This record gives sequence, C-alpha cells and structure tokens, in this order.
Amino acid sequence: GAVVSQHPSWVICKSGTSVKIECRSLDFQATTMFWYRQFPKQSLMLMATSNEGSKATYEQGVEKDKFLINHASLTLSTLTVTSAHPEDSSFYICSARVAGLNTEAFFGQGTRLTVV
Amino acid sequence: AQTVTQSQPEMSVQEAETVTLSCTYDTSESDYYLFWYKQPPSRQMILVIRQEAYKQQNATENRFSVNFQKAAKSFSLKISDSQLGDAAMYFCAYRDHSNYQLIWGAGTKLIIKP
Repeated sequence: GAVVSQHPSWVICKSGTSVKIECRSLDFQATTMFWYRQFPKQSLMLMATSNEGSKATYEQGVEKDKFLINHASLTLSTLTVTSAHPEDSSFYICSARVAGLNTEAFFGQGTRLTVV
Repeated sequence: AQTVTQSQPEMSVQEAETVTLSCTYDTSESDYYLFWYKQPPSRQMILVIRQEAYKQQNATENRFSVNFQKAAKSFSLKISDSQLGDAAMYFCAYRDHSNYQLIWGAGTKLIIKP
C-alpha cells in the first residue's frame, strides 16, 4: 500500500523559534496533501489543503502566516510553524492523495510538537 | 454544511464479544462516502472500512461491518470477536463524492476488557 512518511515524529522547540514538519509520499505522487491538527482526546481539525505547485487553501481561523505550507513537489509538502508558542503544541498529521484515482488519502504517522 | 456526530465518547467490550459504535451524519448530498478510521495509541490513522452511499449493500472487512441506513443518515460500525488489538479511538468520517476533504466525528474510545 501507499506510504506517507512524516518527519520528525516528535520535536521540542523553544518558544519563538520556527519548526518545519515534512510530509513525504514514498511510493506515489501526491497531487493533494492535507494538514491536520489534533488536540489531546479530540478529533482532527483540517488546517489546510495544498495542491502541488499552488498556494495552500487554509481553513477559516488558521493563520497562514503562522502555519506556512509549501507543496513544491509531488512527493513533499512541508508545514512550518513560525515563531512557535506553547499554545502551538499539538499533534500534527498530514495525509496525501493522488488526483484521478478513486482512493482515499493516506495518512502520515503524525508529529508531536512541544513548544517550551 | 455537513456534520458527523458520534454520541459515544467511550465504549467497552469484553474480549471476543461484539460491539457496535454509532455514527450519524447530516448532508444534503446524495452521493458521498462514509468511513470508519481507527487511531491506536501510536496515533497512526488507519482506514477500517469505507461505504459508498450509492451502494445499498453494507461494507464488510473481516470482523468489521457497517450498518448503513441512508434515509436515517446512520452509519454504525460493528466489531465482531473483539480483540485486544482493537482498542483504539474510532472516528467516523464523511466526504462528498468529488471533494476529498473529510468531515470528522468527535471519536469513540474503545476499550477491550481481557
């Protein structure tokens, strides 16, 4: 089956710094990637949808300048949390799919971000 | 707007028994997909089962089956012969036919008692 790899699995950063999370499709070309945020014991909240080569579409209430998403290639999308603060601490999950195929998006294993 | 509701925050079942998780949804679309995802402690989201709304037959995957009631907008998951490895959060999700964005329920924590 298709594999989506997220890196890192967990990261601790200091308040005020930026951190980048990578989402790679290992054996397929991902035309669309989704970024989610999941708070403890809660469901997934869609942050943004990115299509390769174009700007990401952010959901209402998500700060695009805070959460920078880049989808420059068909196998890689990145989420950069800029000037991180403790309230940005969360679990971030990406998923990826291939346009034209009637298959569901495949999920990465998630990244736990802790801002101290 | 579409919504997905899971009214059971937590369910528990004895190992080897059967358990049913509930899910209701709201949509004005006639063609859509419904899903059950499993999120174990590792937090990797795993697709358990998928149902296409235009198919009347309920989807099954080994010990997992659904009861899809389109008119009632109900989509429950039945797990037979529960195993310890089934312990996880289970999320019900919906998407339109042509929109791959998922609408998620709040989740149900399933506890398996040995």
